[in-house]
Amino acid sequence: NAGVIQTPRHKVTGKGQEATLWCEPISGHSAVFWYRQTIVQGLEFLTYFRNQAPIDDSGMPKERFSAQMPNQSHSTLKIQSTQPQDSAVYLCASSLVGGGAEQFFGPGTRLTVL
Amino acid sequence: QQQVRQSPQSLTVWEGETAILNCSYEDSTFDYFPWYHQFPGESPALLIAIRPVSNKKEDGRFTIFFNKREKKFSLHIADSQPGDSATYFCAASDGGNTGKLIFGLGTTLQVQP
Repeated sequence: NAGVIQTPRHKVTGKGQEATLWCEPISGHSAVFWYRQTIVQGLEFLTYFRNQAPIDDSGMPKERFSAQMPNQSHSTLKIQSTQPQDSAVYLCASSLVGGGAEQFFGPGTRLTVL
Repeated sequence: QQQVRQSPQSLTVWEGETAILNCSYEDSTFDYFPWYHQFPGESPALLIAIRPVSNKKEDGRFTIFFNKREKKFSLHIADSQPGDSATYFCAASDGGNTGKLIFGLGTTLQVQP
């Protein structure tokens, strides 16, 4: 069991560039969550898929962030026109079912926007 | 506003003492309350969790005490060990609805040998 896989582990972009982050959930898990972690804001929920369908994107900045889950084995988080304030560790988590179940976190992608 | 409040921000205890970490929440629809710990350079990992049907949950040296009326819950780490030094996050979720976790800002625990 490889756990949640996230790639890349580190990404550096210039201001205004696009960043795409990838997540492979644990096989058999039906729920995928994206969170963002910074020193100041802590762990913030971004978006949630269950059985590949988007369920809740209430934490997503509306204009430049988007997430997809085209199949059960991967999800992507895309940030367009990255800004320095987007610098954070982006964490993907998966769980067997959606609510009230243990969420297993991946190692994260550290995004640095220069 | 912060839906889940956590205190203290940092805590230092001696080896063998009991560390007490506190959290409170606002939304009465929350029905799942996990504690995660995070070591430097690693991602958060579930430590222990409780649902409001219980007011106490134990797992080895780790105990959650839950007070539904006051909307508070705490993590007690008995016989603290230097290896327990980490950042601890409480969280809350409305479980059956969205499943998203709302995290507190964390408590950095240092256990001195």
